[in-house]
Amino acid sequence: RKEVEQDPGPFNVPEGATVAFNCTYSNSASQSFFWYRQDCRKEPKLLMSVYSSGNEDGRFTAQLNRASQYISLLIRDSKLSDSATYLCVVNGRGGSYIPTFGRGTSLIVHP
Amino acid sequence: DAGVTQSPTHLIKTRGQHVTLRCSPISGHKSVSWYQQVLGQGPQFIFQYYEKEERGRGNFPDRFSARQFPNYSSELNVNALLLGDSALYLCASSLTTSGIQETQYFGPGTRLLVL
Repeated sequence: RKEVEQDPGPFNVPEGATVAFNCTYSNSASQSFFWYRQDCRKEPKLLMSVYSSGNEDGRFTAQLNRASQYISLLIRDSKLSDSATYLCVVNGRGGSYIPTFGRGTSLIVHP
Repeated sequence: DAGVTQSPTHLIKTRGQHVTLRCSPISGHKSVSWYQQVLGQGPQFIFQYYEKEERGRGNFPDRFSARQFPNYSSELNVNALLLGDSALYLCASSLTTSGIQETQYFGPGTRLLVL
């Protein structure tokens, strides 16, 4: 099993739709979690951190489920500009700090 | 303020050659990490440096090495290049290396093509 797994997609949704991505992780000692956005041929950019209590930033909501070892990202009212690859990052603990990225989930929002 | 800068932006090398990639972190950031991203995959962690010391190492062969300078800039060196080393090499900077809720800011990357 990979340390961090994401469905690569693509998720193809119309403008205005709500879409959700999950990211599962295998290291139960992981302590910090992030979602990054990466546009084609660009560098990843931080979208949001994921806290145990969940957090919301405008149309974006991130949640953490430690019992089932996954994080989620919900995008409401999708815009064309949301089209990108969404990468989850899990920072491990218990000996070494190595941030592990998932392979990313591709989102395509169409008119 | 300037973000993370990397040079060169693009590079073409042949198998067996050596390459040096450079990164300057955001002003005030003391930690630099290096990642390799091949097409269709997420970035893979190579190294992290903090205050000129290696703080983390990913699963990469000894052909890969790095160092950090007193001004916190960093170099990634790859020896004996293989075709499989063709990738986007990303540098990320962060304030420290606490590992907890540590936000990393990425540079634009260096695209390396090995022929």
